[in-house]
Amino acid sequence: SQQGEEDPQALSIQEGENATMNCSYKTSINNLQWYRQNSGRGLVHLILIRSNEREKHSGRLRVTLDTSKKSSSLLITASRAADTASYFCATQIQGAQKLVFGQGTRLTINP
Amino acid sequence: DARVTQTPRHKVTEMGQEVTMRCQPILGHNTVFWYRQTMMQGLELLAYFRNRAPLDDSGMPKDRFSAEMPDATLATLKIQPSEPRDSAVYFCASGLVLQGNTGELFFGEGSRLTVL
Repeated sequence: SQQGEEDPQALSIQEGENATMNCSYKTSINNLQWYRQNSGRGLVHLILIRSNEREKHSGRLRVTLDTSKKSSSLLITASRAADTASYFCATQIQGAQKLVFGQGTRLTINP
Repeated sequence: DARVTQTPRHKVTEMGQEVTMRCQPILGHNTVFWYRQTMMQGLELLAYFRNRAPLDDSGMPKDRFSAEMPDATLATLKIQPSEPRDSAVYFCASGLVLQGNTGELFFGEGSRLTVL
């Protein structure tokens, strides 16, 4: 499989703390994207980072990409209860247009 | 507010019946994806289309699944005959692929299928 793999599978933290999720993949990519999914809903795009970028920010989100290690991390700062959701990384493999998703990280923010 | 629309949202059917799921992608998007989500397998890519032409359907069980885009406003995923192992949430997503780069995907709310 060429899926990204997220780590950890589940994460539970207190409101206000930072949450870090990691994603590893196997082949060269064009870009890597992070999505969020609330229970029973569709996925919502959070951020896209291209293979020639190393870091990207969007509000309380910070994404890093290390193509030499084939890994990415998503940091959510100052977490809120509303951040409770599953988070997925998706990779666009070089030479293909499809996005392949990992298994996701279930994040729970405790008030 | 542009969004991807999927119907039906829920479907319960008996084994052997035909199931058709429909998707209206966002106008102007040139690529449509079908994914299936289960607890065990996660999100699996079934098929995708660019400019209505099928590019890759290697993720689909060929003998029972078929995907089409009869026009730019409609994508369909058909299962015939359905089996209990097809029970899952099926997502349609659309987006723009420009110069070989896939941008953000917009997902529908999914069609939850239960095959008894």
